[in-house]
Order: sequence, then C-alpha cells, then structure tokens
Amino acid sequence: LAKTTQPISMDSYEGQEVNITCSHNNIATNDYITWYQQFPSQGPRFIIQGYKTKVTNEVASLFIPADRKSSTLSLPRVSLSDTAVYYCLVGADSGNTPLVFGKGTRLSVIA
Amino acid sequence: KAGVTQTPRYLIKTRGQQVTLSCSPISGHRSVSWYQQTPGQGLQFLFEYFSETQRNKGNFPGRFSGRQFSNSRSEMNVSTLELGDSALYLCASSLEGIQAYGYTFGSGTRLTVV
Repeated sequence: LAKTTQPISMDSYEGQEVNITCSHNNIATNDYITWYQQFPSQGPRFIIQGYKTKVTNEVASLFIPADRKSSTLSLPRVSLSDTAVYYCLVGADSGNTPLVFGKGTRLSVIA
Repeated sequence: KAGVTQTPRYLIKTRGQQVTLSCSPISGHRSVSWYQQTPGQGLQFLFEYFSETQRNKGNFPGRFSGRQFSNSRSEMNVSTLELGDSALYLCASSLEGIQAYGYTFGSGTRLTVV
C-alpha cells in the first residue's frame, strides 16, 4: 500500500482558497487518489477522487501532476463549516486492499 | 437513498463484558468494512466483509470479530472489553469494496468502557 504524507494541520481565514498537498511517492500504476473529510464524532465523507490531471466537483478540485507522486486538494473560498480533518488515501482498483487512513490534515478556518 | 446505518449510536459497557454493534449498508452494497477511531491511534482498519466472507483483516486481537449476513448487514463483536476499547466504531459500505468506487461511512457507534 502506498504511504501518504500530509501536513498535520493548517489554518485559514474564511473566504480564502485552501490547498492541501499529499505526497505519495510509491503510488502504483492502478492506484486512485481519494480525499475524505471528517467532522468530529462523524464518519469520514468522500470529497473527491482522481487518477491523473485535474478533477473538479461542486465541493473541491483535485490536482494530480503527471508523475502522480503528489496531489493537491483545493477548497475554494472556505467557510467556518469547512473546519474538519482531511484525509488523502491512495488505493488500487481491486477489492483486496482496504482503505488505510493516515493522520490526516486538521484544517481550522478562522472568521 | 438511505445511507449507512449504525446502531446503537452510543453505548456504555463495563470492563469484561462483551458488545455487539450493527451496521446496515447502503442497499446493493456488498462490502462492509469496520474501523476503530481513537484520539491517539486515529482511524484503524478492523476487518472487511464481502458477500458474507471476511476478505481483509487488520491487526487487532481475536477479541474483535465480525460477520456479515446474506442481506449484507454486518455485526461486529468485542468480547472481554478493556478500557482501551473505548472508541468510535465506524462502518463503511461499498459497492464492491473497490476504492475507485468510493466508500460511504456511517455516523458510528461511540463505545465507552468503564
């Protein structure tokens, strides 16, 4: 399983764009990159997933360079409700590898 | 579309007792995974069931066990509870247990062992 490295914590003011970068140097050819968001006392929630280049949905964008050794989750114009822990996961498209969570990045949005 | 349902939401047990937690996955999902979350260790994988068979297992003692029924509902059991078993237990359901298809988590069961 590819190991991921993310910053432990980040602070941001409301209305700013937040970029959280995840390193995954040992990513395999058939690995996907998935980001989850977790609020206290709740289960993680799927945010976005990608394989290469750029993916965008109504919540976030995911940028993946050509070598795929890192990825950046971009949250546009954050609000206080975006305060949460964000996890980057790397995993294969087969069913024999469970989701493995790292420590995640604790994002604090300040008014 | 109903989400993943975990029951009970909160539970208080005494050391030495045993406990059973339940998870009802999204309709049509055949994979159910269980996680333990504590402040010190974060989210740790317990086991995954797919079509009533345990497919993957994390590094937990044999006191932690689970099963999956033909309707994909799953239960996990912890026997001889210890204080350190106090945690948020989360289950996640997935169509095929493939990361590319995404996982949906329940809100968890908060277990307190006293």
